[in-house]
Amino acid sequence: NAGVTQTPKFRVLKTGQSMTLLCAQDMNHEYMYWYRQDPGMGLRLIHYSVGEGTTAKGEVPDGYNVSRLKKQNFLLGLESAAPSQTSVYFCASSLVLNQPQHFGDGTRLSIL
Amino acid sequence: AQSVSQHNHHVILSEAASLELGCNYSYGGTVNLFWYVQYPGQHLQLLLKYFSGDPLVKGIKGFEAEFIKSKFSFNLRKPSVQWSDTAEYFCAVNEDYGQNFVFGPGTRLSVLP
Repeated sequence: NAGVTQTPKFRVLKTGQSMTLLCAQDMNHEYMYWYRQDPGMGLRLIHYSVGEGTTAKGEVPDGYNVSRLKKQNFLLGLESAAPSQTSVYFCASSLVLNQPQHFGDGTRLSIL
Repeated sequence: AQSVSQHNHHVILSEAASLELGCNYSYGGTVNLFWYVQYPGQHLQLLLKYFSGDPLVKGIKGFEAEFIKSKFSFNLRKPSVQWSDTAEYFCAVNEDYGQNFVFGPGTRLSVLP
């Protein structure tokens, strides 16, 4: 079972460049989440979605945009990358609210 | 806003030692509580969860956690750790009917063989 798949796994960007991280889940989950993981800070929620066509801001949304055009996909965009966005990004999904989340393998993003 | 604190940043134990990792949260209402583990280079995996009922919950790999409502705590325990338990452990809280999860900063566990 694929579960939650994130692409790419690694990426290096220059300041000011844009890119999109893709998250795909094959479990028919309603809820999807994007987190960033930084040393000593755990996971912080960037944006989340409670269903197709919906998105909402999390704890640290600035500098990111998201879209959920299809139920199985949740895209995270960086319009103008900044060094402060160097992090490991995790996507997660859950069937319904309050159920445990299933995580992808992460995307390691470095902004020079 | 909710917050989750984990008492220790890095814990170092020898094999067979007992483990207790602390987790406290700030929300006063009904909550759902989780412990996740992240092995080196891997994604987070669920260890155990508490929704309601018996406050002592058992998870995978011999882990258990106790919910103490009066102390707003959900501490993770294991009687005898193994080298393979070396990982980072995250406590997470979701308020009942809340939209999202709040994760603690994580505790890195190193088990020496």
